[in-house]
Amino acid sequence: AQSVTQLDSQVPVFEEAPVELRCNYSSSVSVYLFWYVQYPNQGLQLLLKYLSGSTLVKGINGFEAEFNKSQTSFHLRKPSVHISDTAEYFCAVSDQLNTGKLIFGQGTTLQVKP
Amino acid sequence: DTEVTQTPKHLVMGMTNKKSLKCEQHMGHRAMYWYKQKAKKPPELMFVYSYEKLSINESVPSRFSPECPNSSLLNLHLHALQPEDSALYLCASSHSGAANTGELFFGEGSRLTVL
Repeated sequence: AQSVTQLDSQVPVFEEAPVELRCNYSSSVSVYLFWYVQYPNQGLQLLLKYLSGSTLVKGINGFEAEFNKSQTSFHLRKPSVHISDTAEYFCAVSDQLNTGKLIFGQGTTLQVKP
Repeated sequence: DTEVTQTPKHLVMGMTNKKSLKCEQHMGHRAMYWYKQKAKKPPELMFVYSYEKLSINESVPSRFSPECPNSSLLNLHLHALQPEDSALYLCASSHSGAANTGELFFGEGSRLTVL
């Protein structure tokens, strides 16, 4: 079984500052890793994903994440945030057994202040 | 624009009503999902359909009844709900079989309020 821990429930940051949202996972099998964003009153949108290959993954809206297998982490970063980045961010994992089950972390609320 | 369309966007119903939530996708995906999401919480998986057959039911109460009429449509029939069932209901689709990495394509959700 897999589990996902998002280490911060809320991250306040000023506009144009860098940000890192932390995610750790545990699994007995190889996994695929995802970050989703949810704006208020909307569904979830995929930011980026790690399936294989380069451990540095670039996504939409200037976000990137780095897969660290030894640390079992997949932290999300952005060098300069905008007010419009204010949203809920979910880290998620699925096993490589194609079961179709996606395990979500508890979410991190990113609050960008002017 | 999302390629998974959910209707209605908002629904208010009484505890004795019968209503349905609808979901449609035209991406050729053969796996479709219903999730329930409470405020400030991650989505919780309810049902998974694979090739129009129910493959996962996460012990959901029988007052929620899913239906997959064809590969593009997914319904969730609601009957005798409780106020605690008020939530955002999200539909999602994905590739299936060996191509299923777990990446989900979500709709905008249907916000349900049970009075």
